[in-house]
Amino acid sequence: DTAVSQTPKYLVTQMGNDKSIKCEQNLGHDTMYWYKQDSKKFLKIMFSYNNKELIINETVPNRFSPKSPDKAHLNLHINSLELGDSAVYFCASSQGSGYGYTFGSGTRLTVV
Amino acid sequence: ELKVEQNPLFLSMQEGKNYTIYCNYSTTSDRLYWYRQDPGKSLESLFVLLSNGAVKQEGRLMASLDTKARLSTLHITAAVHDLSATYFCAVAATAAYDKIIFGKGTRLHILP
Repeated sequence: DTAVSQTPKYLVTQMGNDKSIKCEQNLGHDTMYWYKQDSKKFLKIMFSYNNKELIINETVPNRFSPKSPDKAHLNLHINSLELGDSAVYFCASSQGSGYGYTFGSGTRLTVV
Repeated sequence: ELKVEQNPLFLSMQEGKNYTIYCNYSTTSDRLYWYRQDPGKSLESLFVLLSNGAVKQEGRLMASLDTKARLSTLHITAAVHDLSATYFCAVAATAAYDKIIFGKGTRLHILP
């Protein structure tokens, strides 16, 4: 039973398209995150939600919009995709800083 | 702004040898995490270090935290090929424990 699940696992799309990535956690955690991992493996936080409320919004183009319908779900919608958006996007959840994060399996986004 | 630096970024070593990965961070924090990532996979939590002087061990890996020096180490004892992976340290920003910043990762390649 997967703890943090993301869909899709792979996403290939053309520039200018709009796409969404979905994330669900069944751990009962209150906080969920989106991280971007670039081609050099560098991980950068994008957003964080605590119990459906946005608490961290890093310097991310406003083409990226997170949505949390409930505390178990955090989706990421991306408008007008650009080549530079190609990366692996990881969803994660946490029950508090004393426990670290549980990561999903990642979504590899390729913009062509 | 919290910055996290790891070194080395790449390490190739022989089986049976010992080595240490270093993680320095720039601002006060007492929450430090180590993760492992295999190629094309998600991040797996290895250690959560929550206080000065904390030491944790799992198999051939041992992690420690010195909050005064703002330094954590991940020590590998008698390396085996299965430990080949990328290792990330991450630090929680004290003002916002929900936000953790990752180092660039250490790519460890253990030669059989």
